Amino acid sequence: IVLTQSPATLSVSPGESVTLSCRASQSVGVYLAWYQQTPGQAPRLLIYDASTRATGIPARFTGGGSGTDFTLTISGLEPEDFAVYYCQQRMNWRRPTFGGGTKVEIK
Amino acid sequence: QLQLVESGGGVVQPGRSLRLSCSASSFILSDFDVHWVRQAPGRGLEWVAFISSDEKNKFYGDSVKGRFTVSRDNAKNTLFLQMNSLRPEDTAMYYCAKDQGGEVRGLPYYFDSWGHGTLVSVSS
Repeated sequence: IVLTQSPATLSVSPGESVTLSCRASQSVGVYLAWYQQTPGQAPRLLIYDASTRATGIPARFTGGGSGTDFTLTISGLEPEDFAVYYCQQRMNWRRPTFGGGTKVEIK
Repeated sequence: QLQLVESGGGVVQPGRSLRLSCSASSFILSDFDVHWVRQAPGRGLEWVAFISSDEKNKFYGDSVKGRFTVSRDNAKNTLFLQMNSLRPEDTAMYYCAKDQGGEVRGLPYYFDSWGHGTLVSVSS
């Protein structure tokens, strides 16, 4: 299952809100997660099952969607939120796949 | 947060082998299913392999199937990624990541704890 993320890069100012998109080549139900990766660090699980926040993740991160179209919204960007975000599906549990990533950079 | 530690990376010539290790501090790794995920320099994430806690289930990505083998030594709280017939395109940071687990034990879910990675460079 191919995951396509858009846009590749978003330039935004701190305090603004952004919505990232992830589209699957076939339905993944709600079996989709979002990860955040800051430079030089390992990824961190943000959202799983499309809309459930992982432990310790702030409420400004909201996941939505089902089937083939998913979104991650970050409300009121904090300085630590500038990072690369990846979606990942587990519908095909023998072949988990990641999207190509969206970089959220400071405008 | 649960901490995983990878080791064993380095520079290796094409066609040679390398074995990566993943150990855990502060928790019993043998209780959990674990993945290997890699990231080529400047690129995105690529899932590599999965091993269930009891070793009954092992799955591999298409790009490594037949060349890489995942295993674990639960007595030593460590798991391994044996990488044979290495290619330049295998150059990447390799992360081990604990599976979140779910209703069905032994099947992949999501990656909820990650190590800092170990760098593998395949070059002549």
